[in-house]
Amino acid sequence: DIQMTQSPSSLSASVGDRVTITCRASQSISSYLNWYQQKPGKAPKLLIYAASSLQSGVPSRFSGSGSGTDFTLTISSLQPEDFATYYCQQSYSTIFTFGPGTKVDIK
Amino acid sequence: QLQLQESGPGLVKPSETLSLTCTVSGGSISSSSYYWGWIRQPPGKGLEWIGSIYYSGSTYYNPSLKSRVTISVDTSKNQFSLKLSSVTAADTAVYYCARQDMVQGVNWFDPWGQGTLVTVSS
Repeated sequence: DIQMTQSPSSLSASVGDRVTITCRASQSISSYLNWYQQKPGKAPKLLIYAASSLQSGVPSRFSGSGSGTDFTLTISSLQPEDFATYYCQQSYSTIFTFGPGTKVDIK
Repeated sequence: QLQLQESGPGLVKPSETLSLTCTVSGGSISSSSYYWGWIRQPPGKGLEWIGSIYYSGSTYYNPSLKSRVTISVDTSKNQFSLKLSSVTAADTAVYYCARQDMVQGVNWFDPWGQGTLVTVSS
């Protein structure tokens, strides 16, 4: 299986901050990488697919980049509603795997 | 707007079979563009893909669960279902169903159902 890691596992930030979350794959996955946001008690919500494509309806402050093994999710100006846990997911292998998550909370 | 809703028992005894159904509304499960998937999340932990099905009945599963998992589809009811046999406490989780979209080999899950908590306990 392709293993996904994320860093940091958690971070504290303030409204307006620029936030960067990193996801790393155990082998090259080209651009077969997606990002989700999950709030407590809610289902995950797709933010970014294919490494850098913004899902319809997702604010433009979210962006994704990377290819191969290293990927980044950036929130350009953190808003109160962005405090959540973020997961990456690979689909290069048909055994889909998720990263362990990065929790973003209020500083 | 496509919506998915999981249903089934919230409590299952150890060694028994967990059975859940996902009802799709606002769209057809028979669309040739999508697979339909099950994902679970143990309390306080991360996400694990269980398996996926096409409207034709074609399936693929996570090898870690494959020996215990069956996913089926009922196009007449616009539903797909999950069965997980020989459950243990480790199978306690929130179970989500989701539409699996794919473009040029990239697969992602969107939208998701609200999730249903299944507890394995005697």
